[in-house]
Amino acid sequence: GIQVEQSPPDLILQEGANSTLRCNFSDSVNNLQWFHQNPWGQLINLFYIPSGTKQNGRLSATTVATERYSLLYISSSQTTDSGVYFCAVAGFAAGGSYIPTFGRGTSLIVHP
Amino acid sequence: EPEVTQTPSHQVTQMGQEVILRCVPISNHLYFYWYRQILGQKVEFLVSFYNNEISEKSEIFDDQFSVERPDGSNFTLKIRSTKLEDSAMYFCASSEMRHEQFFGPGTRLTVL
Repeated sequence: GIQVEQSPPDLILQEGANSTLRCNFSDSVNNLQWFHQNPWGQLINLFYIPSGTKQNGRLSATTVATERYSLLYISSSQTTDSGVYFCAVAGFAAGGSYIPTFGRGTSLIVHP
Repeated sequence: EPEVTQTPSHQVTQMGQEVILRCVPISNHLYFYWYRQILGQKVEFLVSFYNNEISEKSEIFDDQFSVERPDGSNFTLKIRSTKLEDSAMYFCASSEMRHEQFFGPGTRLTVL
């Protein structure tokens, strides 16, 4: 199946700092999403971005499908940004199966 | 805004008992999914369901698991004989075709 690697695994920031989270994947995909898992465990959709660039407020994401990576940018971080950020991908593997795969996540702590 | 709902939010059961986790996907979505997340680990795909049958399943989804769409709105995951290692957060998700998935808030299953 598709392998997904996220980096860094852990990130500690001061409020107001910017950060870049990376997601590398091992095969071509036609579905890529970024999620924020809040302290209550809920998975919040951030971006559906199989290719291209999107922005939503202080967050933006870029996926370069041909080079098999995606980046999530967080600008002017706030304490409420704390949590785990997951990248999830899906694509048709050899044999036609379509198995969504999550990375292990980046754990972000933003200090006031 | 439509959302995926799950019940119960927390289920405690004895080892060997059967549990049924319930989900109501977004009404016009056609694909339904179950995932699990063991505490502190990544989200793992269990099964996807389309047109009243399983379309893909992972190695985790063995004979003790089953899914059903008993009516036009509910989607259920049954675990026949729970084990200690089944303790996890179980997420339901739905999507319109194989596109962006929307996740429910999860059911925390504790097996004693």
